[in-house]
Amino acid sequence: DAKTTQPPSMDCAEGRAANLPCNHSTISGNEYVYWYRQIHSQGPQYIIHGLKNNETNEMASLIITEDRKSSTLILPHATLRDTAVYYCIVKMDSSYKLIFGSGTRLLVRP
Amino acid sequence: EAQVTQNPRYLITVTGKKLTVTCSQNMNHEYMSWYRQDPGLGLRQIYYSMNVEVTDKGDVPEGYKVSRKEKRNFPLILESPSPNQTSLYFCASSPTGKVQPQHFGDGTRLSIL
Repeated sequence: DAKTTQPPSMDCAEGRAANLPCNHSTISGNEYVYWYRQIHSQGPQYIIHGLKNNETNEMASLIITEDRKSSTLILPHATLRDTAVYYCIVKMDSSYKLIFGSGTRLLVRP
Repeated sequence: EAQVTQNPRYLITVTGKKLTVTCSQNMNHEYMSWYRQDPGLGLRQIYYSMNVEVTDKGDVPEGYKVSRKEKRNFPLILESPSPNQTSLYFCASSPTGKVQPQHFGDGTRLSIL
């Protein structure tokens, strides 16, 4: 599975959009990009995933660059409850295994 | 409500005293997995199961056993716990289809003295 690089920490103001970047320059054609988050020490929570097209659900939007070497998770209106560690994971479509890196610690400020 | 339930949530015990952490899911998922999370090391996979009676080692299986006699349950067994197994443990499940997202339990914090 391709390695991902994320900034260790970010912050944003409550009500503003949070844009979390992820670099996965060695991604291959059959690898998906997944985003999970972990609030404090709770279980990781699935957010969204995509292959090459941009995706949106009730939680967030995922923007994947055309060359697929990077992506951005967008939380459109961040709330204090969005403070968490966000993990960008690249996973082959032939595998179940998730490999968690160190993620980005997002702090949403009041 | 769809969920993955782990018990106990917290446990403090002593070296060598066998313990079992239970994991149960109500989503009829085929795939289940155990992870441990340690500071600076992230989440690492211990064991996984593709279906009933099918289990396999993950990245850090030493000192652990699992069983999958029923689809909904995937217990993690520590036959002779040691202090280096003090950790935060998570169970996860997903349906067949490797693209499907995984659902995680709320975690079990084990302290082995």
